Amino acid sequence: QVQLQESGPGLVKPSQTLSLTCTVSGGSISSTGYYWNWIRQHPGKGLEWIGYIHYSGRTYYNPSLRSRVTLSVDTSKNQFSLKMTSVTAADTAVYYCVRGEGFEDLLYYFDYWGQGTLVTVSS
Amino acid sequence: DIQMTQSPSSLSASVGDRVTIPCRASQSISSYLNWYQQKPGKAPKLLISGASSLQSGVPSRFSGSGSGTDFTLTISSLQPEDFATYYCQQSYSIPYSFGQGTKLEIK
Repeated sequence: QVQLQESGPGLVKPSQTLSLTCTVSGGSISSTGYYWNWIRQHPGKGLEWIGYIHYSGRTYYNPSLRSRVTLSVDTSKNQFSLKMTSVTAADTAVYYCVRGEGFEDLLYYFDYWGQGTLVTVSS
Repeated sequence: DIQMTQSPSSLSASVGDRVTIPCRASQSISSYLNWYQQKPGKAPKLLISGASSLQSGVPSRFSGSGSGTDFTLTISSLQPEDFATYYCQQSYSIPYSFGQGTKLEIK
């Protein structure tokens, strides 16, 4: 059973960089056909896809966030990470790391989710 | 970008009721439509992929239908554990997008 676990600071100051890491267990991050995503949910709101990274390092980002987001992967640790720069209060949300299954860089669905971590942007 | 619309945002029903939850895409997405269930304080759970394929372990009272722009999630006989928020999501093109959710509440 694949499990994902987010880790990182729960409080970030405005204009600083949000950094989160997701540790994958029960399966290899290098397995074929899987893509490693970040999805966020603003308090009481819907879900927003941030982007994904493949174990090869290929990335796709939501254009609305592309200028501020960088995803990276560490296959030796079975981890992938999110960095979001210049955060504001509007970036306060629960951040989920999520496995997506797909083929040739197109995802079919999101099948395994971490429990989520609340990141608050406040001074 | 493809916009996903779920209306109504909330729905009241009773245990045993048959419920349908609609979802509309702003352009045709073929059958690239997934449904998720989210309970308070928990991560979403994948119920249905490809518009109508039930995920392993999901009760058969859940079903999905539709193609193109109009889709429906149906729960044939509501159980107490089904009261939750349901999201549709398109996987047709990047950026992947979700509907705003339909909260299913006890009448």
